[in-house]
Amino acid sequence: GQNIDQPTEMTATEGAIVQINCTYQTSGFNGLFWYQQHAGEAPTFLSYNVLDGLEEKGRFSSFLSRSKGYSYLLLKELQMKDSASYLCAVPHTGGFKTIFGAGTRLFVKA
Amino acid sequence: DAMVIQNPRYQVTQFGKPVTLSCSQTLNHNVMYWYQQKSSQAPKLLFHYYDKDFNNEADTPDNFQSRRPNTSFCFLDIRSPGLGDAAMYLCATSRDSTGGGEQYFGPGTRLTVT
Repeated sequence: GQNIDQPTEMTATEGAIVQINCTYQTSGFNGLFWYQQHAGEAPTFLSYNVLDGLEEKGRFSSFLSRSKGYSYLLLKELQMKDSASYLCAVPHTGGFKTIFGAGTRLFVKA
Repeated sequence: DAMVIQNPRYQVTQFGKPVTLSCSQTLNHNVMYWYQQKSSQAPKLLFHYYDKDFNNEADTPDNFQSRRPNTSFCFLDIRSPGLGDAAMYLCATSRDSTGGGEQYFGPGTRLTVT
């Protein structure tokens, strides 16, 4: 089966850096997604990692270690608008289904 | 702009009264999904279509049905809504790529059951 674990909540200060971790267990691997979801809104795509290493995209970076079943999302220069849930998601191999984690709710305080 | 549209954004229905939620897309994606998401939980996949091929999740209740009359439109029918079906319903699309690929979500329909 497939399972995704990520912390339920995190709090950080405006301007700081925060790292949101995700561990996964999958039968097969076809990449890992991070989505951002503001309260009451739909998830929006942030990043996709299929190879080991760090992918940087502006203030957001995502890291993957396939051997450890581990990923993290790094948010730099935090802004109040970054307060949201961050969902880790793993596509199911051999089909079109994606398994989502429950999300990490990030609170950015002034 | 290409997008995924859901109507209505907010739907109130009575216990047991059938309701239909709609989704349309201008992305011309082959795959369309319906998710149920309750507060602070992961989106739960109900079913997905690859073109007209329908794929039901094993744990999706029979109370939930779906139709995809053409590439652009997909409907979620809840035949007899219960209080436990109150949730956000998200429609999403993805390109024809194995593993699902990046998903594009609509804004969601928040369903309230009274």
